[in-house]
Amino acid sequence: QSVLTQPPSLSGAPGQRVTISCSGSSSNIGARFDVHWYQQLPGKAPKLIIFGSNNRPSGVPDRFSGSKSGTSASLAITGLQAEDEANYYCQSYDNSLGGHVVFGGGTKLTVL
Amino acid sequence: QVQLVQSGPEVKKPGSSMRVSCRASGYTFTNFDVAWVRQTPRHGLEWMGYISAHNGDTNYPQRLHGRVLMTIDTSTNTSYLNFWPLTSDDTGVYFCARSQSMVGATEFDLWGQGTLVTVS
Repeated sequence: QSVLTQPPSLSGAPGQRVTISCSGSSSNIGARFDVHWYQQLPGKAPKLIIFGSNNRPSGVPDRFSGSKSGTSASLAITGLQAEDEANYYCQSYDNSLGGHVVFGGGTKLTVL
Repeated sequence: QVQLVQSGPEVKKPGSSMRVSCRASGYTFTNFDVAWVRQTPRHGLEWMGYISAHNGDTNYPQRLHGRVLMTIDTSTNTSYLNFWPLTSDDTGVYFCARSQSMVGATEFDLWGQGTLVTVS
């Protein structure tokens, strides 16, 4: 059971907009810790696509955006493309149990 | 080329220990910290701790205290993860990642390719 909750799967047609949610609590996202998002292709390492809740590293298309409100965060992908089919993970920090980095359980995005 | 290159796959017996290496290149190794993250079928992505490449300070999660040891060799820009005793639940892929800090919600902007450890 992951500390951050994500929907296990999501799908969308090419060109559509999809949103992946990441639900936390008052000891992590609600405590104003940053949220980061990673994209993981099969057999590969995770790749950072959003940091500091809504910033993109160099080279990441502006079709990807992030937001945060209260105890939740979201990753939005607009103009969905076949290459976006991957697993997506959110990450933050939790100040319970001495403090530790936490991840969401991941969302498998399928492009129809 | 900025990269982290990890050691190859391992097969371990239950009760034994593992050691995975992570060699950095293309950036100033001592200006960053190294995080270790594992991915297992049961628990997904799990943070295993940090080590400072600058001074060797470590930060481990409470649940792993006594089972994990991270070390640094600045002469070869290499970080090591030692973990014991192993059970079948520890089967998974172990990643090293670059981090700007060892505190708070820091992002991991560069990852190694992963090392598959099978406990059987």
